[in-house]
Amino acid sequence: NAGVTQTPKFQVLKTGQSMTLQCAQDMNHEYMSWYRQDPGMGLRLIHYSVGAGITDQGEVPNGYNVSRSTTEDFPLRLLSAAPSQTSVYFCASSPRRQVQPQHFGDGTRLSIL
Amino acid sequence: ELKVEQNPLFLSMQEGKNYTIYCNYSTTSDRLYWYRQDPGKSLESLFVLLSNGAVKQEGRLMASLDTKARLSTLHITAAVHDLSATYFCAVDMIKYGNKLVFGAGTILRVKS
Repeated sequence: NAGVTQTPKFQVLKTGQSMTLQCAQDMNHEYMSWYRQDPGMGLRLIHYSVGAGITDQGEVPNGYNVSRSTTEDFPLRLLSAAPSQTSVYFCASSPRRQVQPQHFGDGTRLSIL
Repeated sequence: ELKVEQNPLFLSMQEGKNYTIYCNYSTTSDRLYWYRQDPGKSLESLFVLLSNGAVKQEGRLMASLDTKARLSTLHITAAVHDLSATYFCAVDMIKYGNKLVFGAGTILRVKS
């Protein structure tokens, strides 16, 4: 049981480039979310999804897009990378109707030059 | 708007000592979580607290919840070096779809 798998683990981009961070879970969880972690600020919610075909914005959505075509996958797209998007990105999942903590992936460390 | 504050943000303590991390949140929430994060690693769930007066313990860590005061505490008993990590509290509200709001985290360093 792999849990939540994020790829890549590390990435360096130039300003203006686009890329997609991948997230997949094999626990059949309805709820998936993306957070960014910056020093001294905890984790902040970027986008989330309560099921296939349904997505919504979190606290810091600007500059990011998501889609949820399957229960398993929830990719995060950076449209035009900016240095302010340098961060560690975590994907998480949980069942929607059970009281369980969210399961987190190992993170993607992204640097924008 | 739901806000979560933790204190202290940094805690350096000697092995064998006791200490408490505090987590305050601004509005009524449905669930409170404590997570642990080791440097460069993912977040590991420690506790889920659901109701007023809830207390959960695992080893040297004990978490409690006072919903009237909007306060949760994470108490460390007789600290050991292996407890060195960053500890986050987070809250969510079911009506907002399980969206977690995190505190800034408490960096704990246990010195031997």
